[in-house]
Amino acid sequence: DAGVTQSPTHLIKTRGQQVTLRCSPKSGHDTVSWYQQALGQGPQFIFQYYEEEERQRGNFPDRFSGHQFPNYSSELNVNALLLGDSALYLCASSSRQGREAFFGQGTRLTVV
Amino acid sequence: AQSVTQLDSHVSVSEGTPVLLRCNYSSSYSPSLFWYVQHPNKGLQLLLKYTSAATLVKGINGFEAEFKKSETSFHLTKPSAHMSDAAEYFCVVSARHSSNTGKLIFGQGTTLQVKP
Repeated sequence: DAGVTQSPTHLIKTRGQQVTLRCSPKSGHDTVSWYQQALGQGPQFIFQYYEEEERQRGNFPDRFSGHQFPNYSSELNVNALLLGDSALYLCASSSRQGREAFFGQGTRLTVV
Repeated sequence: AQSVTQLDSHVSVSEGTPVLLRCNYSSSYSPSLFWYVQHPNKGLQLLLKYTSAATLVKGINGFEAEFKKSETSFHLTKPSAHMSDAAEYFCVVSARHSSNTGKLIFGQGTTLQVKP
């Protein structure tokens, strides 16, 4: 079982650019959530996808958008990058019946 | 609404001594509570979870936590610290949405330092 996999592991972007992060959920999981973890902080919920639709959203601007594919994998897109978007982005997968989320290793995004 | 407060931002113990990481929660209804650990430059690993079964929950690597509704607490303990326990620990409450796994609300984290 590969667990939750995220790509890329590290990324450097320039302010104003756009970025796409990818996540493959753990086998058997159909729900994907994204979190932003700023340095020295706890992760903050961005949104959750199930059945290819956004089901819940945290307090993040519309610059943050996502997508879930029929195979349950997901993408996180961030437009018009700001320096403050620099963070570790974590993907978590779970099943609809379960209460436990499994996390990937994260993507470290640096905006310069 | 749900929230979680970790009462210590930094805890330092000597190897072989007990560990106590404190967490208080707030929830409008019966919560699901978790402790996650994050080692440097790593993702989050689930240590243990409480989901309305036994109030004393045992997790991996000798950790356990006790759910106390009257005190709205979910403190994490371990009888004897090991050097490999040094990491960041997060107390987490789940805000369930309909029948799906809800969003996780994280505390600010507690850094555990283990001295030789």
